[in-house]
Amino acid sequence: QSALTQPRSVSGSPGQSVTISCTGTSSDVGGYNYVSWYQHHPGKAPKLMIYDVSQRPSGVPDRFSGSKSGNTASLTISGLRADDEADYYCCSFAGRNTYVFGTGTKVTVL
Amino acid sequence: EVQLVESGGGLVQPGGSLRLSCAVSGFTFSNSWMTWVRQAAGKGLEWVANINPDGREKNYVDSVKGRFAISRDNAKNSLYLQMNSLRAEDTAVYYCARNTLTAAGDYWGQGTLVTVSS
Repeated sequence: QSALTQPRSVSGSPGQSVTISCTGTSSDVGGYNYVSWYQHHPGKAPKLMIYDVSQRPSGVPDRFSGSKSGNTASLTISGLRADDEADYYCCSFAGRNTYVFGTGTKVTVL
Repeated sequence: EVQLVESGGGLVQPGGSLRLSCAVSGFTFSNSWMTWVRQAAGKGLEWVANINPDGREKNYVDSVKGRFAISRDNAKNSLYLQMNSLRAEDTAVYYCARNTLTAAGDYWGQGTLVTVSS
């Protein structure tokens, strides 16, 4: 149950794209197509942005996209906007109906 | 409108107990897996526990096994987390969420703060 590894921070200018990686093991990220991503503004409820590696819930803009290769999943934010500035967490199913979150990445819009 | 409202947080001494509650409305609670996730100050999100719709299956992160107990009352649309033998490292904001297979949480509450300190 070790946390998935994410970069501590990424940044980009408005309109640019940023990609956040999420590295786990064959027991979590690599073993299941159940990776989800959350946007979290401090003091607020986390918001589901991506599930099933690449699916967007209703209402999430298509600027947010997800992918996976082996034990690493990625979240890409295109057309970066000021209100995208937040903490982002990946999460993976880890077997036996348990889950593990990533270490979190702070996205800064320059 | 979906609402999840946590309550029961507060200040407790090390070794003490606390019971968190989560009142749910806006979706069929009795058909839903539910989960608790926490975030310590300056730290990331940590999955804590989940429970299946009839309450018979419960899963925990290793660090709380034997100390925390998740439960639910489908008649009251409520989720609970009984926390015993609390430690300083349990200090965190605790969130309840609806757990789908594909995501630890799709609907989330605003959280309740638990502080373990003497």
